[in-house]
Amino acid sequence: GAGVSQSPSNKVTEKGKDVELRCDPISGHTALYWYRQSLGQGLEFLIYFQGNSAPDKSGLPSDRFSAERTGGSVSTLTIQRTQQEDSAVYLCASSLNNYSNQPQHFGDGTRLSIL
Amino acid sequence: EDQVTQSPEALRLQEGESSSLNCSYTVSGLRGLFWYRQDPGKGPEFLFTLYSAGEEKEKERLKATLTKKESFLHITAPKPEDSATYLCAVQPRSNDYKLSFGAGTTVTVRA
Repeated sequence: GAGVSQSPSNKVTEKGKDVELRCDPISGHTALYWYRQSLGQGLEFLIYFQGNSAPDKSGLPSDRFSAERTGGSVSTLTIQRTQQEDSAVYLCASSLNNYSNQPQHFGDGTRLSIL
Repeated sequence: EDQVTQSPEALRLQEGESSSLNCSYTVSGLRGLFWYRQDPGKGPEFLFTLYSAGEEKEKERLKATLTKKESFLHITAPKPEDSATYLCAVQPRSNDYKLSFGAGTTVTVRA
């Protein structure tokens, strides 16, 4: 398939451990987005990349969260010293660009559980 | 701050029983309003984009409409495969990469 690919699909880890989530966008899509979806709540914007640059990191909940994108393609979201409130589904989306009303296309997410 | 409120939270329908979902929004200049469908354990799947009041879009049994304050998703003669959570999101003119999502309406269609 040519959709957005995220890995792992599920991650269970102990409080205090670091985790790394990966997103492989649709080929040719220059814009990439990370969201978090908690049970019963709407999607929460985390960060946006245009190419390898992240013009807006304002949605990252704390300095334990960071993200990078290399080669204008794959992105990783890293959470350091995980806490139980970090448990959620982390969704990645990509769009062709951000210069027109291109819809964001989502992957199936990584379900993160912190014990 | 942009806000999106969807109602009802849950909707149970009999197959063939048409209904509507509501998405009320406040945004400082609307660039676009998006509807997505989300199945359990899956990511949101894009359905429609609406840009201006009065606009309508259709896809199979779904029709989306837009006013200056709200959008409706009409489901005509639904089938069990239409069961899903439907999400509404607004895209502001400024910071237009940042979609604000509602919490969704979970639709269950019984045969």
